[in-house]
Amino acid sequence: AQTVTQSQPEMSVQEAETVTLSCTYDTSENNYYLFWYKQPPSRQMILVIRQEAYKQQNATENRFSVNFQKAAKSFSLKISDSQLGDTAMYFCAFMSGNRDDKIIFGKGTRLHILP
Amino acid sequence: SQTIHQWPATLVQPVGSPLSLECTVEGTSNPNLYWYRQAAGRGLQLLFYSVGIGQISSEVPQNLSASRPQDRQFILSSKKLLLSDSGFYLCAWSHVNNYGYTFGSGTRLTVV
Repeated sequence: AQTVTQSQPEMSVQEAETVTLSCTYDTSENNYYLFWYKQPPSRQMILVIRQEAYKQQNATENRFSVNFQKAAKSFSLKISDSQLGDTAMYFCAFMSGNRDDKIIFGKGTRLHILP
Repeated sequence: SQTIHQWPATLVQPVGSPLSLECTVEGTSNPNLYWYRQAAGRGLQLLFYSVGIGQISSEVPQNLSASRPQDRQFILSSKKLLLSDSGFYLCAWSHVNNYGYTFGSGTRLTVV
């Protein structure tokens, strides 16, 4: 069974700094997808970034980028020039390439951006 | 564009009372639908998912059930609520393009 591990329960950084959130996963599959979701205090789940396992190039969305290391089964999220609005819970997630496409979430990292 | 609606936003129910949470999706057809529960502000637990009308798969045996009476409608139910059913319930949908889930705004359920 697939598992997703986020080893940092909570982090704090100063506004404008760069922060990296860690995520590792375990799977025997070769075709899968990885995601980072953001859950602000409103509790709305928002997709931040998506990575396809067969693509070697790391995904980037504005200030958000990932470091995808397939062999190491690592998928970290880097937030550059952090903003107060980035304060949220961040979930790393795995989805198999199979038809049922259930997503497995990590336990989350609570990120505080300090003014 | 596709939208997902989930209601109610907040619910306080006594122990032993029934439950019905509803989720509807607009702007797409034949979506995969999911119910998750999030306890104590931490991880998300998949409760049920559905790949079509009347097709329900349960991930965790518990006091809840789900139904999909229409293509874009997903309902989470309970006949008798327990204190342990309290939590934040999220509905989500996806399509076979594997672009991940789109979530509803959630329901905060408190069983008293």
